[in-house]
Amino acid sequence: KNEVEQSPQNLTAQEGEFITINCSYSVGISALHWLQQHPGGGIVSLFMLSSGKKKHGRLIATINIQEKHSSLHITASHPRDSAVYICAVSGLGTDKLIFGTGTRLQVFP
Amino acid sequence: DVKVTQSSRYLVKRTGEKVFLECVQDMDHENMFWYRQDPGLGLRLIYFSYDVKMKEKGDIPEGYSVSREKKERFSLILESASTNQTSMYLCASSSGHLNTEAFFGQGTRLTVV
Repeated sequence: KNEVEQSPQNLTAQEGEFITINCSYSVGISALHWLQQHPGGGIVSLFMLSSGKKKHGRLIATINIQEKHSSLHITASHPRDSAVYICAVSGLGTDKLIFGTGTRLQVFP
Repeated sequence: DVKVTQSSRYLVKRTGEKVFLECVQDMDHENMFWYRQDPGLGLRLIYFSYDVKMKEKGDIPEGYSVSREKKERFSLILESASTNQTSMYLCASSSGHLNTEAFFGQGTRLTVV
C-alpha cells in the first residue's frame, strides 16, 4: 500500500464545476504539499500546509491531521486548470517528499 | 523569479551510453533532489544532496550516480544507460529548512533506445 494515496486518479469536469481531489497518507508528516504539473512536465508548488486551510484565488487546500487527510478544491473550474495534481508529504524531521501518483484533471468548455 | 533549470527537455541516448543530466538552481538552496516519474508510479527519489560533495541514496539509486561539486549544480549520471531508464527525470531544490517549499525543474524526458 502506498504511503500517499490520491483519489480519483482521473477526473473530468465541465467548465464552472466545483472540483475536489483527495489525499490520504499513512505516515507522520511535517507538512503536506499540493503540486500542479502541466503537460510538458514542469511542476509548480500550489500549497504547503501543516494544519487548517489555505486559499489562493480559486484554489483551496485543507488538511485534517487527525484523519491524515487533505483535500484540494477548485472553485469555478476552467479549462486552464487541466493538469495533473500531485499530493506529497514531508516526513517528520525531513524535507524529503513522498508523492502520491497524481490526479489527472480535464476541464472541458 | 526563482529557477531550477535542467539542461535538456528531451534526450535520446543509446543503450550503454554514459548520460549526464544537469540541474542548476539560482536560489542558494542547500538541498537538491533527483526524481524519476513513471506512469502509475508517481515520482520516486533517486538521490539527494544536503550539501556540496554530499550525497545520499534515495529509494531507487541502482544504475545511477550523482555529483555535486558546487552548491548550485547537481548532476545525475547514468553510468551505462538501459532501456528501463527511459523516463521523465525531475530535479528539485529546497532551502534546507524544514517545512519549506520545493522548487522543480521543467523535467528531462529521456529515451534510451
